[in-house]
Amino acid sequence: ETGVTQSPTHLIKTRGQQVTLRCSSQSGHNTVSWYQQALGQGPQFIFQYYREEENGRGNFPPRFSGLQFPNYSSELNVNALELDDSALYLCASRRDRAGELFFGEGSRLTVL
Amino acid sequence: AQSVAQPEDQVNVAEGNPLTVKCTYSVSGNPYLFWYVQYPNRGLQFLLKYITGDNLVKGSYGFEAEFNKSQTSFHLKKPSALVSDSALYFCAVRDGNSGNTPLVFGKGTRLSVIA
Repeated sequence: ETGVTQSPTHLIKTRGQQVTLRCSSQSGHNTVSWYQQALGQGPQFIFQYYREEENGRGNFPPRFSGLQFPNYSSELNVNALELDDSALYLCASRRDRAGELFFGEGSRLTVL
Repeated sequence: AQSVAQPEDQVNVAEGNPLTVKCTYSVSGNPYLFWYVQYPNRGLQFLLKYITGDNLVKGSYGFEAEFNKSQTSFHLKKPSALVSDSALYFCAVRDGNSGNTPLVFGKGTRLSVIA
């Protein structure tokens, strides 16, 4: 069923730059979540959007921000990139409260 | 706040043998529990979930998991392992009493099935 798509799949940035990652959610899913997965680690929750409003945030600084659009696509923006931001960024969506998250393939960000 | 513990970084099992990947959880409300699998350089694939009902949950690819409330565990099992089951497995939990609590993941267990 998974139909979550992310872009770009890979990108390289330098410290201090800004990046925007994009996600197109599964049709009919109104909740989207973003996760950061560092190498060898489990996914860490960044934030979550429900009907275009942020309704949950993990322990990430304000330079991590997001948007959800009326068509349920979303963006993750990271300003002032740091080396430790290098990770796989995962977008996921779900249909309802008891539903499972469906994940995209991720965007791998490398910060040099 | 909720949390998940996967006590084993690595599990090795011979092909054809049963496998178990352990998970314990902590949540203040009603646990919604999930298992995901991740292959190299890929996103996470959903295997199964427990929301309510029968404590034994059956999922994709012959996997199952047993919810044990008293032990706060949700171990993943499969009767006969395949080499193709080799991957990274994540257990996750969220509080079902709240609509906006996030899904929290464990650190993962790497399963290696040896032919």
